[in-house]
Amino acid sequence: DVKVTQSSRYLVKRTGEKVFLECVQDMDHENMFWYRQDPGLGLRLIYFSYDVKMKEKGDIPEGYSVSREKKERFSLILESASTNQTSMYLCASSWGANTGELFFGEGSRLTVL
Amino acid sequence: RKEVEQDPGPFNVPEGATVAFNCTYSNSASQSFFWYRQDCRKEPKLLMSVYSSGNEDGRFTAQLNRASQYISLLIRDSKLSDSATYLCVVNMGSYQKVTFGTGTKLQVIP
Repeated sequence: DVKVTQSSRYLVKRTGEKVFLECVQDMDHENMFWYRQDPGLGLRLIYFSYDVKMKEKGDIPEGYSVSREKKERFSLILESASTNQTSMYLCASSWGANTGELFFGEGSRLTVL
Repeated sequence: RKEVEQDPGPFNVPEGATVAFNCTYSNSASQSFFWYRQDCRKEPKLLMSVYSSGNEDGRFTAQLNRASQYISLLIRDSKLSDSATYLCVVNMGSYQKVTFGTGTKLQVIP
């Protein structure tokens, strides 16, 4: 089975803190994604990566950055957390191109106070 | 207009009932379509792909109507374990163009 592991299930941070969310997949997938999920808004793509050291902006990249130094690991960074970044963050991975079959991690629920 | 629209529900149905959800999409160039299932406080998981000819997986049937730009999911003989949110997903053919609907909540009642 594909396993996508997110390092933290629940985090509470203060405004202005730097936040790291880490994601590791064990299936040698080329593609990795970071989404956030908010009630009534669905899943929105923050960033994605189709190869090591490659990254592309999604729909809502502002306030976020990412890092992919190894194929299996994709990190989401909030340089200075704000209250409007309180959300559920979901990492996903997939094979190849043009696929809608995404494998998700269990999610990281971030609260910014 | 949203790219992908779903009725949020909730749909409350008794066990054994048949229930259908629709999902409309705005871009006629959309290439592939999927239904995902998301249990409460869990991650989304692929339920089934949706093919042009329609496809069935046990009690679940998915259909695509390109002319009217909607996809549907039919669940027959509903089980309590079917209670979840069902997400419609439309792919325009590239990584950043996978669009999720906001989901339809189904509650199957004993």
